[in-house]
Amino acid sequence: DQQVKQNSPSLSVQEGRISILNCDYTNSMFDYFLWYKKYPAEGPTFLISISSIKDKNEDGRFTVFLNKSAKHLSLHIVPSQPGDSAVYFCAAEQGGSEKLVFGKGMKLTVNP
Amino acid sequence: NAGVTQNPKFQVLKTGQSMTLQCAQDMNHNSMYWYRQDPGMGLRLIYYSASEGTTDKGEVPNGYNVSRLNKREFSLRLESAAPSQTSVYFCASRSRLDTYGYTFGSGTRLTVV
Repeated sequence: DQQVKQNSPSLSVQEGRISILNCDYTNSMFDYFLWYKKYPAEGPTFLISISSIKDKNEDGRFTVFLNKSAKHLSLHIVPSQPGDSAVYFCAAEQGGSEKLVFGKGMKLTVNP
Repeated sequence: NAGVTQNPKFQVLKTGQSMTLQCAQDMNHNSMYWYRQDPGMGLRLIYYSASEGTTDKGEVPNGYNVSRLNKREFSLRLESAAPSQTSVYFCASRSRLDTYGYTFGSGTRLTVV
């Protein structure tokens, strides 16, 4: 049973436009959510996170929104740049569990 | 600033062979993890170590063993490799005080033929 779901495998946007990456989760005990970015032949790198006590966290061009009632989070990238082209993973954990659960990932392509 | 270092980067094994994947971190992190990434499956936790001297199973531990040699090093061993273990393996670490997520190594691409 997949606890973190990224239902769209890919997204293509034009440079300068907004990219919206979605993620759903089923475990209501998750209280910390993270987004990772991965380039080919590299390890995932941390992008942005949000605690369940917040509904929004912003870092430069990246904003993560959390809707706890819907068990849904989204990552907004504005404006999108070609260098943002990568696979993005949504991940979640229950505090103290030491187990970070990942979604399957979504490939973002930003076209010049 | 090496972060998390994994060796080897690539490996080809024959079915039934054994090998150990090495991982070391220089950030004085308490927790270390082994994940595998398969196409369309995301990253799945194999084993983790919350502190030196402790290890616990993750989501997919069968066919693997781990050793937390010291605070820096966490190795993953395949005793008898199977084609189903063909994957990319990532080691990661985190400090309990770190709210900025896990630091991952660059991965080991393992092929079992």
